[in-house]
Amino acid sequence: GNSVTQMEGPVTLSEEAFLTINCTYTATGYPSLFWYVQYPGEGLQLLLKATKADDKGSNKGFEATYRKETTSFHLEKGSVQVSDSAVYFCALSDPWIQGAQKLVFGQGTRLTINP
Amino acid sequence: NAGVTQTPKFQVLKTGQSMTLQCAQDMNHNSMYWYRQDPGMGLRLIYYSASEGTTDKGEVPNGYNVSRLNKREFSLRLESAAPSQTSVYFCASSEELFNGGADSGANVLTFGAGSRLTVL
Repeated sequence: GNSVTQMEGPVTLSEEAFLTINCTYTATGYPSLFWYVQYPGEGLQLLLKATKADDKGSNKGFEATYRKETTSFHLEKGSVQVSDSAVYFCALSDPWIQGAQKLVFGQGTRLTINP
Repeated sequence: NAGVTQTPKFQVLKTGQSMTLQCAQDMNHNSMYWYRQDPGMGLRLIYYSASEGTTDKGEVPNGYNVSRLNKREFSLRLESAAPSQTSVYFCASSEELFNGGADSGANVLTFGAGSRLTVL
């Protein structure tokens, strides 16, 4: 079945550091890929998405490129801020499964940014 | 501008008790979902409803039942709670059904704030 593997956390960085959170996936067909973020005490919210190979999703300074050849969708940010502290989830959706938008999530990576 | 609203936010149950988690969305979305979040395991789909009047099992449906009461509301029921059901539960909704188009599979889920359930 489809699955998503994220780098294990927690990840702790200093403000203005470069961030990479690795995400690889296993899927049949051509999934769409997502990064969701969960701030403390809140539900998940979409950070960015990509729907086909070589697409780059971007939002709030974060970027991720859909790499079909390496089955990866790594999240990057050039200069993190304290406000980026949250749990980040990589997820995929197989568009060939009819019905609703079922997502498969990775285990989440907790990111803490120190001033 | 409420989005997805879940109640209750916190609940403590004893083993064998029953309860219902309520979820309502005000975005006129067709599809609704229930996920559970456990440490180190991400979110796992319990049940979903592609449209009003339909429900389907997700990855971990055992021990749960759902009701799509109308287009707005989707409830999750634990008939006989077990300690293994201690978790944080999230309701979500999304805008469209799968339609076979080029952008299918890219619809965004909107999540509620979560309900933390502890079963003793």
